[in-house]
Amino acid sequence: QVTLRESGPALVKPTQTLTLTCSFSGFSLNINGVALSWVRQPPGKALEWLGLIDSDGDKYYNTSLKTRLTIAKDASKNQVVLKMTNLDPVDTATYFCARIYPYSGSGEVYDYWGQGTAVIVSS
Amino acid sequence: SSELTQDPAVSVALGQTVRITCQGDTLRSYYASWYQQKPGQAPLLLIYGNNNRPSGIPDRFSGSNSATTASLTIAGAQAEDEADYYCICRDISGIHFWLFGGGTKLTVL
Repeated sequence: QVTLRESGPALVKPTQTLTLTCSFSGFSLNINGVALSWVRQPPGKALEWLGLIDSDGDKYYNTSLKTRLTIAKDASKNQVVLKMTNLDPVDTATYFCARIYPYSGSGEVYDYWGQGTAVIVSS
Repeated sequence: SSELTQDPAVSVALGQTVRITCQGDTLRSYYASWYQQKPGQAPLLLIYGNNNRPSGIPDRFSGSNSATTASLTIAGAQAEDEADYYCICRDISGIHFWLFGGGTKLTVL
């Protein structure tokens, strides 16, 4: 059974760094083609892709945010960490992690999602 | 252009059929997947590839693809289908890597 769960602070002050952890089970991030992605959703707004880390350890980031984002994995703990620097109130959102899995003939799919963790950026 | 475009809002009468579309050049090269999101919940995978449904997704949900348009059809919409629907696809341009549609709010009347 695949599960993902995000954890981290609910409240962060402007200019601070946000650190979120995605703890997952039921699959290995070492399987070729599997990746773990971070997605966020400001209140009342659409989903926004932040970035991902794949089975090779390669990382890809949203071009608009890449200078502020770092994604890293701890395979031994089945965890992936997202760091976002220099937080601003516009970064207030629910942050999700999701598994990307390669389905034969269908491409890569965001098939499992965590429940999300809400982060408020405010002084 | 590197984006996926969805109509912001669509409505359907209870029991009728509705189609939600997603447009983008990248759809010529990659399949979109479709997600349902209800308030306070994570997105739920509905359709992926060429009209594949994960286990547990009702067969009233179906997908189709044509050139630069991917479509999600709900045949016989139910009250519980009222939700936001998103398409997601790889970015053929390589600029953004992954593209997310802006979402369609479905209202069941």
